[in-house]
Amino acid sequence: QKEVEQNSGPLSVPEGAIASLNCTYSDRVSQSFFWYRQYSGKSPELIMSIYSNGDKEDGRFTAQLNKASQYVSLLIRDSQPSDSATYLCAVPSGGYNKLIFGAGTRLAVHP
Amino acid sequence: SAVISQKPSRDICQRGTSLTIQCQVDSQVTMMFWYRQQPGQSLTLIATANQGSEATYESGFVIDKFPISRPNLTFSTLTVSNMSPEDSSIYLCSVPKGTSGNNEQFFGPGTRLTVL
Repeated sequence: QKEVEQNSGPLSVPEGAIASLNCTYSDRVSQSFFWYRQYSGKSPELIMSIYSNGDKEDGRFTAQLNKASQYVSLLIRDSQPSDSATYLCAVPSGGYNKLIFGAGTRLAVHP
Repeated sequence: SAVISQKPSRDICQRGTSLTIQCQVDSQVTMMFWYRQQPGQSLTLIATANQGSEATYESGFVIDKFPISRPNLTFSTLTVSNMSPEDSSIYLCSVPKGTSGNNEQFFGPGTRLTVL
């Protein structure tokens, strides 16, 4: 089993809809979880961090964490074409500061 | 957030040669990280560059192939040695955000390497 798993997509949603991106992880002791956005040809950009069970909202983005199910998700409300990118889930593993990345989910928001 | 720059931004190299990639940060950081992103793939950690000590390499990566220097708290280099087409990737350096220990990392713009 991979340490961090994501559906590679592409996930296609219409403009204005809610995009739901999912990630599961294998390390039960993980305490922090990150979502990065990567536009084509660019480096990853940190958009959300979550540390506690439940929801964390930041603008149009909501991260949801369920440690019991080892599941973290990212919801993007009112999706815009500018949200079209690859979204990477990252989880620390093996000690301080080592991040393990999922394969990424490619999101396409069409007008 | 830290401002991170990398040089070169891209390069095309011949097999068998070596390329040194530079990473400069605008603030002092204890750790710097080097990642590889192969075409269409996610990020894989190559090594952690520690100032004043040897780099710590991840499984599958060795110092002879990817020597790393860390002469001070704002700078690091990664060399890709004896390159083959399989080394064609984006190489990214990253640094931790602040000192809170919450594992957030910021990435540099990356170096896109093509090996012919």
